Amino acid sequence: QKEVEQDPGPLSVPEGAIVSLNCTYSNSAFQYFMWYRQYSRKGPELLMYTYSSGNKEDGRFTAQVDKSSKYISLFIRDSQPSDSATYLCAMSAGRGSTLGRLYFGRGTQLTVWP
Amino acid sequence: ETGVTQTPRHLVMGMTNKKSLKCEQHLGHNAMYWYKQSAKKPLELMFVYNFKEQTENNSVPSRFSPECPNSSHLFLHLHTLQPEDSALYLCASSQNRGQVDGYTFGSGTRLTVV
Repeated sequence: QKEVEQDPGPLSVPEGAIVSLNCTYSNSAFQYFMWYRQYSRKGPELLMYTYSSGNKEDGRFTAQVDKSSKYISLFIRDSQPSDSATYLCAMSAGRGSTLGRLYFGRGTQLTVWP
Repeated sequence: ETGVTQTPRHLVMGMTNKKSLKCEQHLGHNAMYWYKQSAKKPLELMFVYNFKEQTENNSVPSRFSPECPNSSHLFLHLHTLQPEDSALYLCASSQNRGQVDGYTFGSGTRLTVV
């Protein structure tokens, strides 16, 4: 079983739609959860960072973590064509040299059409 | 443009060639990483350097040879590669190893082995 599972899509939605992206994981030691956005021909950039369970909101983006279900989500409200990118989830057991390794999902390719 | 610069952006090499990838960061970070991103696969950690010392080699074949002459520069020397090594090679840095919310990625080198 892979450490992190993520549906690669592709996902195609109209402008203004609410987008839901999800990842599941198997390692109960994961405590730090991140979402990265990767535009074509670019490296990943950190979009959201969450510690432990709960919600975090930043503008049109909301990250949710449910550790009991080992399930994380990223919601994008009022999606824009500029949101078209690949979204990668990543997680880690903790900070520090022995725990700070990141485990990534495969990424979900999102297209928002006008 | 991010604070992590990778050159070249694209590279095509034969299986008998020797080439090098270069990464430079201007962020004052102490940890640097090499990742491999293949189509439909999660990012794979290859090497970790912390204060110029290699701290992790994720079972990478010896045809990949990293070098970190100082905290700002990281190289990946390539020789006798295989076609399955074709991928996007990403460099990243963070203030300290294990700072999971502080990774900055470069735009990557797209490598094609023919």
